[in-house]
This record gives sequence, C-alpha cells and structure tokens, in this order.
Amino acid sequence: AQSVAQPEDQVNVAEGNPLTVKCTYSVSGNPYLFWYVQYPNRGLQFLLKYITGDNLVKGSYGFEAEFNKSQTSFHLKKPSALVSDSALYFCAVRDLSSGQAGTALIFGKGTTLSVSS
Amino acid sequence: EAGVAQSPRYKIIEKRQSVAFWCNPISGHATLYWYQQILGQGPKLLIQFQNNGVVDDSQLPKDRFSAERLKGVDSTLKIQPAKLEDSAVYLCASSLNSVSTDTQYFGPGTRLTVL
Repeated sequence: AQSVAQPEDQVNVAEGNPLTVKCTYSVSGNPYLFWYVQYPNRGLQFLLKYITGDNLVKGSYGFEAEFNKSQTSFHLKKPSALVSDSALYFCAVRDLSSGQAGTALIFGKGTTLSVSS
Repeated sequence: EAGVAQSPRYKIIEKRQSVAFWCNPISGHATLYWYQQILGQGPKLLIQFQNNGVVDDSQLPKDRFSAERLKGVDSTLKIQPAKLEDSAVYLCASSLNSVSTDTQYFGPGTRLTVL
C-alpha cells in the first residue's frame, strides 16, 4: 500500500539559515510526489511536484525538493528561511500502480516549520 | 483566476444533527475531490468526481455521508446524522482532469465542530 512518512513533527530554524523538511514514501511503482503548505485557517497551497526527469524540482516561494529513488525520499529545501515560511507542510504521493480507482493523493501527517527571527 | 470556493467556513452542530457543505471548483476543472482533515493528520480522501460521475468513494462512510455533483460543476457534501468523530476540516479540491500528473488545488476548507 502507498504511504508517506514525515518523520519530524516540528522543524525549527533561524531566519536566513537553510531549511529541510523530510519526507519518505512507499509505493509499489513509480511515484508522483507533491509538497503543499498550509497556513492557519487556510487551505493547502501547492508548492511543487515531481513527475519525472530532473531529480531537483524547483517550486514556489524559493522552495525546491530533491527526489532520491534509492532512499525513497523527497525532502523539501530552501537555502534561506524567512519568518513568513512558518507554516504546516505536507508531503503527498500518488502511485499509478496502486490499483486505486481514482487519482487522490496520500498525505503525510504534516511537519510544522517554525522560523525564528 | 478564481480559486476553489467553499462555504460555510465554520459550522458548529450537535451530534445527530445534519450538515451540508458546498464547493465550487476552479472554472473548467472536471475533477473534484472532497477530503477530510482531522486535527494533527493529513487530509484523507472521501470522494472523487469526474464531471458528474463518481470515480472513487471507497473511503466515504456511506451510512452517514453523501455527496453529489449533479451538473458537473459545484458539489455538496452532506453528513446525516453527525457524530463527534466527524469534527474535522472538510477540504474541497479540483484539478483539470483525472490525469495522475494534474495538480490539485484546494479551497480554504470548512471547519466542522460536532458537540
């Protein structure tokens, strides 16, 4: 069965420092991977996705993510964190070979990013 | 481009009452999803529509939850009767089609509290 793990409930970084939010996945076939961000009392906003090709994916607001097939990981990164990046981050996967009827995403439980000034 | 619209934003009801949520997807998006997000968890699919047909409702508690998308545009999700464990944020999302690479865009959600 498909699954996504976000091993850290919370990540704390200082403004200006690089940040990494970790995600590992488990699928039976080739994964399609997504990152979303959720601000308080708002819906999920799309950041980036990996479909195929270059393992380094660039997304919105200066975020990027690196796909690593051997480690089944898709970590979210940003070279220099901003206080405004503080939010809840979700990793999600879609597996074409899962046999599921639809194209719904399977989400991790989320990681709270806190950036201090 | 207008995003996914949902209403109401907040709803408080007592257990055993009924409640309905409304969603209007991004214009031109054929695929619509309803997700349930319980506090401290990631969203989980309840139902997926392609136009006005159901693609996946395998995780919808059909004894109390129902959803429709009669004209293939906006959608309504209903709970009747509500239970305490239904307290959650109900998120609607839409995508251009049911292609696996399509990005899903989410609305702001409806926060339901069942007392």
